[in-house]
Amino acid sequence: NAGVTQTPKFRVLKTGQSMTLLCAQDMNHEYMYWYRQDPGMGLRLIHYSVGEGTTAKGEVPDGYNVSRLKKQNFLLGLESAAPSQTSVYFCATWDTYSNQPQHFGDGTRLSIL
Amino acid sequence: DQQVKQNSPSLSVQEGRISILNCDYTNSMFDYFLWYKKYPAEGPTFLISISSIKDKNEDGRFTVFLNKSAKHLSLHIVPSQPGDSAVYFCAASGGSNYKLTFGKGTLLTVNP
Repeated sequence: NAGVTQTPKFRVLKTGQSMTLLCAQDMNHEYMYWYRQDPGMGLRLIHYSVGEGTTAKGEVPDGYNVSRLKKQNFLLGLESAAPSQTSVYFCATWDTYSNQPQHFGDGTRLSIL
Repeated sequence: DQQVKQNSPSLSVQEGRISILNCDYTNSMFDYFLWYKKYPAEGPTFLISISSIKDKNEDGRFTVFLNKSAKHLSLHIVPSQPGDSAVYFCAASGGSNYKLTFGKGTLLTVNP
């Protein structure tokens, strides 16, 4: 999906390792979100940001941290990965000025062994 | 507690016929509803939406109906095409932060 780029696309971690997922957008949208999708669970909101320097918890924030130091980037961190965090992670942005729906990246598939 | 429910995990229809995907919600604060389509290994793509002040919205082959009293919405695809085969997510939003609550999705298969 043009405009929202997620890095990396795939990653395998061992339990206890840490890593950071990067979401970069070039659309100048204020709001950014991190979701996780698990089989049979739909998408669930982890954390979100309503602007540079702000973050807030979503539905399933435990075990994750986020930062929004620059408007175009939203980082999702796993300090000590657990097998329960094996999932597909999606980043999304929302342009509140145009009121267009949330725009998603193509996801990061993360496996924790 | 699921606030957005899609009770049919899958649906199979013949090409050219109508596909009807259903969604129920429980939170009365939701005022904006969306349908997203998702292909494997891609992110969800916005399809169509409806505000709570309307009961119907059309966009080409896609129509969304909202019944607020029943807290129910449905997506109609007419005529269905094989390229419509995908997972369809119903989502709802309420409040100023535009957070979306998703259903579990329905896998639509359109057979040629």
